[in-house]
Amino acid sequence: RKEVEQDPGPFNVPEGATVAFNCTYSNSASQSFFWYRQDCRKEPKLLMSVYSSGNEDGRFTAQLNRASQYISLLIRDSKLSDSATYLCVVNIRNTDKLIFGTGTRLQVFP
Amino acid sequence: DVKVTQSSRYLVKRTGEKVFLECVQDMDHENMFWYRQDPGLGLRLIYFSYDVKMKEKGDIPEGYSVSREKKERFSLILESASTNQTSMYLCASSSIGGAGTGNTIYFGEGSWLTVV
Repeated sequence: RKEVEQDPGPFNVPEGATVAFNCTYSNSASQSFFWYRQDCRKEPKLLMSVYSSGNEDGRFTAQLNRASQYISLLIRDSKLSDSATYLCVVNIRNTDKLIFGTGTRLQVFP
Repeated sequence: DVKVTQSSRYLVKRTGEKVFLECVQDMDHENMFWYRQDPGLGLRLIYFSYDVKMKEKGDIPEGYSVSREKKERFSLILESASTNQTSMYLCASSSIGGAGTGNTIYFGEGSWLTVV
């Protein structure tokens, strides 16, 4: 079983739609959580950290459920420019290593 | 702005050649990492380093070695390239306690290696 699992998609949604991605992790020692965005043939870049109480950054909302060991990302009012792969990333306590999910591909169409 | 620079963006090498991938960061970060990324497999950690001359194996170190002679530079070496090492290679850096304290790691733009 992979340590971090994501639905690979693709999620094809129209502009303006709301879309949500989930990610599950298996290591109970997971401490910090992130969503990264990766454009085609580019490097991953941090989209947002995920905090226990949930957090919002503009149209993006991240949630963490430690009991069920999953993380979610909600994108409201999707834009064409949101088309990318979204990587769920987990840090294990007392390490500086990050474990990456394989990513969920989002395609927003006009 | 943090900058992680991978000197070679696109390389084509022959089977059996020795390949060097160079990475330099300008933020005085202690941690440096080498990943490879393949479709359906995501990013997999090859090696990482917490300090000069220090290295630790990641999840898939076989066929690779690394060198960190200076804090800002972390090199990945393929001693004898094989076709199954065709991939995108990503270098990254972070400060000590970076990921653990919620701080980000920064990636280079990637090196696309094809072994024929």
